[in-house]
Amino acid sequence: QQQVKQSPQSLIVQKGGISIINCAYENTAFDYFPWYQQFPGKGPALLIAIRPDVSEKKEGRFTISFNKSAKQFSLHIMDSQPGDSATYFCAASTAGGFKTIFGAGTRLFVKA
Amino acid sequence: GAGVSQTPSNKVTEKGKYVELRCDPISGHTALYWYRQSLGQGPEFLIYFQGTGAADDSGLPNDRFFAVRPEGSVSTLKIQRTERGDSAVYLCASSSGGIRGTGELFFGEGSRLTVL
Repeated sequence: QQQVKQSPQSLIVQKGGISIINCAYENTAFDYFPWYQQFPGKGPALLIAIRPDVSEKKEGRFTISFNKSAKQFSLHIMDSQPGDSATYFCAASTAGGFKTIFGAGTRLFVKA
Repeated sequence: GAGVSQTPSNKVTEKGKYVELRCDPISGHTALYWYRQSLGQGPEFLIYFQGTGAADDSGLPNDRFFAVRPEGSVSTLKIQRTERGDSAVYLCASSSGGIRGTGELFFGEGSRLTVL
């Protein structure tokens, strides 16, 4: 099922810095690319998502960059804060979210 | 409540025993998903329901795993003859589903299963 490859496994960023997490996918039928944030003991929660008809989507401090030809997408967290410390999962799915496939996750730690 | 509810939150059982995990989705959500998350890993797809029927059960690891959703709302994941390798957090998610759906999955907090 490993159709979404995520890197790095872990990331340490200084407060105020930029966090960048990358993902690559294989299945060209995917048409929905969400990022989920998970805190310990909680279920994942949608952070931001993009469809392949746009190359970038920004919501507050969070931006997704999407490269359809390279089959890659990335999450940028600007002005990273200690409260952003969590595990981030990229994911991909087809036709409305059926059978969403998740990456292995990136554990982000933002140092105060 | 308004979110996805999963019970029990923790289950400790012995190898070979039978386990049931319950999921109560967000009211009105037609799609329901079960995922398994091992320590340090991403959620692994198990099964997806659209209404009462299992639309895709390709992620169920073997015939010891079975899930039902008889009335199109609450779902139960059933694991027979549990093995130590079944230990994980079992996550349930729901969504509005359908082609017009946003694709967003709403997860519960999971049921942590430990098989001794």
